[in-house]
Amino acid sequence: QSALTQPASVSGSPGQSITISCTGTTSDVGGYNYVSWYQQYPGKAPKLMIYNVSLRPSGVSNRFSGSKSGNTASLTISGLQVEDEADYYCSSYTSSNTQVFGGGTKLTVL
Amino acid sequence: QVQLVESGGGVVQPGRSLRLSCVASGFTFSSNAMHWVRQAPGKGLEWVAVLWFDGRNKYYADSVRGRFTISRDNSENTLYLQMNSLRIEDTAVYYCARDYCPSTCGGDYWGQGTLVTVSS
Repeated sequence: QSALTQPASVSGSPGQSITISCTGTTSDVGGYNYVSWYQQYPGKAPKLMIYNVSLRPSGVSNRFSGSKSGNTASLTISGLQVEDEADYYCSSYTSSNTQVFGGGTKLTVL
Repeated sequence: QVQLVESGGGVVQPGRSLRLSCVASGFTFSSNAMHWVRQAPGKGLEWVAVLWFDGRNKYYADSVRGRFTISRDNSENTLYLQMNSLRIEDTAVYYCARDYCPSTCGGDYWGQGTLVTVSS
């Protein structure tokens, strides 16, 4: 049950695009299309932004998109806005019927 | 609208027990798997346990297996986490989360969390 690997931090300017990677193994990210991405503000509960690798829940901006290649999933935020500054976590279903999270990525909007 | 409300957190000494509850509303509780996820102060999210829709299949993180027990009462729309033999490192905000599947897929709605502090 090793955590998925995410960069500790990424940054971008308003209007730019950024991508956060999430690397696992064939037993989680690479083996199944149950990758989710969450946004979390300090002191708040996580919010689902992407599920099943690339699907957006109702109400989530289409500036957020997800993809996967091999054992690495990615979250892309386009047209970066100040309010996008938050922590982002990926998660994946695993072959043991469990779930595993990434270590989290702090997004700074400069 | 989906609502999840956790309770039961507090300060407890190492080695003691605590039971968390999560009351669900706004959806058919018996149709979804449910998770517990925790977050230690200043740290990332850690998955703890999942219980499938019918209460028959349950899975745990290695860090809590044998000490924590997840259960549910579908007639009361309530999820539980019985935590025994608590350790300092169990200190965290504990969230319950609804899965968007009857089995393990991923959490979609989350509660606001309840803080558990293990300290002597």
